[in-house]
Amino acid sequence: DTAVSQTPKYLVTQMGNDKSIKCEQNLGHDTMYWYKQDSKKFLKIMFSYNNKELIINETVPNRFSPKSPDKAHLNLHINSLELGDSAVYFCASSQSGTARSQFFGPGTRLTVL
Amino acid sequence: GQQVMQIPQYQHVQEGEDFTTYCNSSTTLSNIQWYKQRPGGHPVFLIQLVKSGEVKKQKRLTFQFGEAKKNSSLHITATQTTDVGTYFCYNNNDMRFGAGTRLTVKP
Repeated sequence: DTAVSQTPKYLVTQMGNDKSIKCEQNLGHDTMYWYKQDSKKFLKIMFSYNNKELIINETVPNRFSPKSPDKAHLNLHINSLELGDSAVYFCASSQSGTARSQFFGPGTRLTVL
Repeated sequence: GQQVMQIPQYQHVQEGEDFTTYCNSSTTLSNIQWYKQRPGGHPVFLIQLVKSGEVKKQKRLTFQFGEAKKNSSLHITATQTTDVGTYFCYNNNDMRFGAGTRLTVKP
């Protein structure tokens, strides 16, 4: 069974479109994250949710909107896609509390044309 | 917030050589984690260090946390092609990853 799953794995779309990426974890974790990894492999935190509550919201354009319908899911919706949004987006989860290891999903490679 | 500086950015070694990546912080870290990301893969948790001066080993990998808890290192002895990937440190204080060290190994 996959611990953290993301769909889709690949996403190719035109500038200006709106798209969503879904994430689900079956580990029973309370905390979920979205990261963006650019072409230089730099991993940047975008959002973090704990028990469906937003706890981290880094400086991310408001075109990005996370939604957590329940503890096991954290989806990412992106409006008006731009070329610079092209990256790999990783979802991750961990138990709540400090110093918890994170389990990552396989990533979604987004290409904006 | 705190930032961990990770060096080197790239390291290319011959198979069998050793490899070390370092993370340094200007302020004291409560703990530090290390992750490995294979090419085309996702980050995978390796280990967490919490105590001052802590040293942990996983087969050929040795992880250290400095006495002042401001730096950490990951050392691989006698690298193998399976070690290829990017190694990241993670600062739990501000929830940020280091820039990563990309390791390539020539057979």
